[in-house]
Amino acid sequence: KNQVEQSPQSLIILEGKNCTLQCNYTVSPFSNLRWYKQDTGRGPVSLTIMTFSENTKSNGRYTATLDADTKQSSLHITASQLSDSASYICVVIGNTGGFKTIFGAGTRLFVKA
Amino acid sequence: NAGVTQTPKFQVLKTGQSMTLQCAQDMNHNSMYWYRQDPGMGLRLIYYSASEGTTDKGEVPNGYNVSRLNKREFSLRLESAAPSQTSVYFCASRNRDRGSGNNEKLFFGSGTQLSVL
Repeated sequence: KNQVEQSPQSLIILEGKNCTLQCNYTVSPFSNLRWYKQDTGRGPVSLTIMTFSENTKSNGRYTATLDADTKQSSLHITASQLSDSASYICVVIGNTGGFKTIFGAGTRLFVKA
Repeated sequence: NAGVTQTPKFQVLKTGQSMTLQCAQDMNHNSMYWYRQDPGMGLRLIYYSASEGTTDKGEVPNGYNVSRLNKREFSLRLESAAPSQTSVYFCASRNRDRGSGNNEKLFFGSGTQLSVL
């Protein structure tokens, strides 16, 4: 059973537009959540980390939110650029008698000129 | 700093052949990991090494072996490749922070695209 679900699977937007990617998780107990960006042919790179007590965190044009009560996170991208075309992966760290890292399948974002 | 370096970048094998994927990191990290990435699925942990001299199985270890050669290097070996092992393999490392619940981020290599025919 997938413990980290991301939606949509893929998304196409025009350059300059905003978009929001969703991540729902069932991992419990929860330790922290990270968003990674993966360019084609490259490994994932961390964008931001959210701990239990944090609701919002920004990194340039990227803003992540976390609702630990509903077990939902989102990644909002503002004023998209062509270089934002990538996969965005939600990763949840659970503390179940040992820390376990669980990866979502990712959202593939295409930004068109 | 090169970060995490993986070789080779691409490889094609015939069923039953063996090969070793190499990984090295220059960030003095304690922990190293091997993942596989398949379409429509999240990365899955094959093996990891929490520190030099130790290795442990992850979620999908069958058909693989690993060696933590020293603090820098962590290799993954396929003894008898099978078509089900066709995947993209990523090596990763991080500094394990025992006090903060694994808050340290993973640093990934660029991946090895492996096809087993």
